[in-house]
Amino acid sequence: DADVTQTPRNRITKTGKRIMLECSQTKGHDRMYWYRQDPGLGLQLIYYSFDVKDINKGEISDGYSVSRQAQAKFSLSLESAIPNQTALYFCATSEGGDLAETQYFGPGTRLLVL
Amino acid sequence: GDSVTQMEGPVTLSEEAFLTINCTYTATGYPSLFWYVQYPGEGLQLLLKATKADDKGSNKGFEATYRKETTSFHLEKGSVQVSDSAVYFCALSDRPGGSYIPTFGRGTSLIVHP
Repeated sequence: DADVTQTPRNRITKTGKRIMLECSQTKGHDRMYWYRQDPGLGLQLIYYSFDVKDINKGEISDGYSVSRQAQAKFSLSLESAIPNQTALYFCATSEGGDLAETQYFGPGTRLLVL
Repeated sequence: GDSVTQMEGPVTLSEEAFLTINCTYTATGYPSLFWYVQYPGEGLQLLLKATKADDKGSNKGFEATYRKETTSFHLEKGSVQVSDSAVYFCALSDRPGGSYIPTFGRGTSLIVHP
């Protein structure tokens, strides 16, 4: 079984709809992250959480919100989806506290906003 | 602030050709450096890393050497295979601020033809 899972894997929605993307991990890591990937732009950090009570905005948090329901679960919400939020979204985890730590990524959710 | 610059792709090679993907960085501290790979339809996964000057990271035939004097971490492979077709991301993790959240480059797509 995958260590970091994301649901759904694909989602089509309409402008103005609220949607939630979910992430679960079995690695036991405290740190979790949400990234957005657009062609040619690499990865942009949306939100990150260092533990259940610690949530922080990343570089592109406008239009997004998150919830850390448990150590293992970190959800990303689009309150009112717009077409320029069409992208590939990745959840990632890391153990924390090490300059050389590895990030572990989920398989991604491909979102299309019409 | 910190930044990572990668050569633009796509890089198109024939099987068994030599590969170089250039990566240079700007950092305020003494960062750790990483290469991640994203195979089609998957999330990113760590390919290799280096934590100090002159260190060489290696994995699956790929190598990269931490060059502090030129602030570079170029990825090389002596003989590429079709299965190496993927997007490659250079990244750094820097100490200032203590968060250790990596900064990613924009990614370089590699296409290997039989």
